Amino acid sequence: KAGVTQTPRYLIKTRGQQVTLSCSPISGHRSVSWYQQTPGQGLQFLFEYFSETQRNKGNFPGRFSGRQFSNSRSEMNVSTLELGDSALYLCASSLDPGGSGYEQYFGPGTRLTVT
Amino acid sequence: AQRVTQPEKLLSVFKGAPVELKCNYSYSGSPELFWYVQYSRQRLQLLLRHISRESIKGFTADLNKGETSFHLKKPFAQEEDSAMYYCALSGPAGNKLTFGGGTRVLVKP
Repeated sequence: KAGVTQTPRYLIKTRGQQVTLSCSPISGHRSVSWYQQTPGQGLQFLFEYFSETQRNKGNFPGRFSGRQFSNSRSEMNVSTLELGDSALYLCASSLDPGGSGYEQYFGPGTRLTVT
Repeated sequence: AQRVTQPEKLLSVFKGAPVELKCNYSYSGSPELFWYVQYSRQRLQLLLRHISRESIKGFTADLNKGETSFHLKKPFAQEEDSAMYYCALSGPAGNKLTFGGGTRVLVKP
């Protein structure tokens, strides 16, 4: 099976702009989670989508949003970009037949730089 | 609030020596705990989870609910074990992972 793919891999944006990142999960996986990774804060959970519904949400401002499509592909959007949003954004998918705590398979990440 | 703490940012050991990575957690319910690893230029991947009680690549981890710890151990470190290791907690529902800050392991020849 193909792994989790994320596009684009690298992105440079200017403060105030918005950005959309895309994630294609492993075929058959219904849960998609997003994480932000920075040198200062480490890996932080953004949100999780399951069957097109947001199931969990982390402590990020409303500028960060996401959605999931019927084919389980997911997008996350950051509006009004700030310098502090520069980070590696990781997507992870999980088979999740039910319950919690299943293995998550991570994508390579999208490196976002805000100037 | 759930929290995961990895007190060591860097562990440097010689090949063949034992290695132990510490992980402590704070969680009010029954946690699901994991160790994820990231080798150089590779994706973050699952190493092991506590409910499986497996030994993966020679690594084991025991959940100690009394001490709220989930330390990762390997009796004889190999050079290929050099990587970044993250302890993570999942709960109460869904797949939200709370990660520790990570420990970089360097195994010297």
